[in-house]
Amino acid sequence: EVQLVESGGGLVQPGGSLRLSCAASGFTFSSYEMNWVRQAPGKGLEWVSYISSSGSTIYYADSVKGRFTISRDNAKNSLYLQMNSLRAEDTAVYYCARTSSSWDDYFDYWGQGTLVTVSS
Amino acid sequence: AIRMTQSPSSFSASTGDRVTITCRASQGISSYLAWYQQKPGKAPKLLIYAASTLQSGVPSRFSGSGSGTDFTLTISCLQSEDFATYYCQQYYSYAVTFGQGTKVEIK
Repeated sequence: EVQLVESGGGLVQPGGSLRLSCAASGFTFSSYEMNWVRQAPGKGLEWVSYISSSGSTIYYADSVKGRFTISRDNAKNSLYLQMNSLRAEDTAVYYCARTSSSWDDYFDYWGQGTLVTVSS
Repeated sequence: AIRMTQSPSSFSASTGDRVTITCRASQGISSYLAWYQQKPGKAPKLLIYAASTLQSGVPSRFSGSGSGTDFTLTISCLQSEDFATYYCQQYYSYAVTFGQGTKVEIK
């Protein structure tokens, strides 16, 4: 069974940093591209970042470019999101999501999400 | 970035109704469109990909159609468990983008 479990969320002050993790199991993690998607309270879904299976290709949404860094450790079956210079508008539930395949970038499995609150 | 616009934003319906949600892309995306269902406090769930292909395990009352810029999600006979928010997503190019969501409420 495919499982994605996020952790690392919490309350952080504006300008602070946080590192999210996503532990993957039930599939060959190193073969799949991965993403972070967020959802602000009461709002819709916003894609945040993408990383290829090897980690060699990375994309970011303009809203987080230069502040967030996506990475992965295939030996540990884990995905990460380092978030720096956090702003109030980064407050959201952050989901990790698996890309279905190399040629179809829809998300077939999602984690349960971890809440990040940026507030003083 | 490609903008995805869903309509309506919300509506009320009754169990047994046939409902249709529309999604329009700001430019052509071929059939690179997915639909997700989200219930309160839960992660989104993939329903349909490639505009019309049903994800394994999704009931056949769900169907999708369209290509280019205009797409629809249809639920042929609404069930109680279908009351949720639905999102379309284009994956024609990165940044992938989602519609704003359509909330289906109980009448």
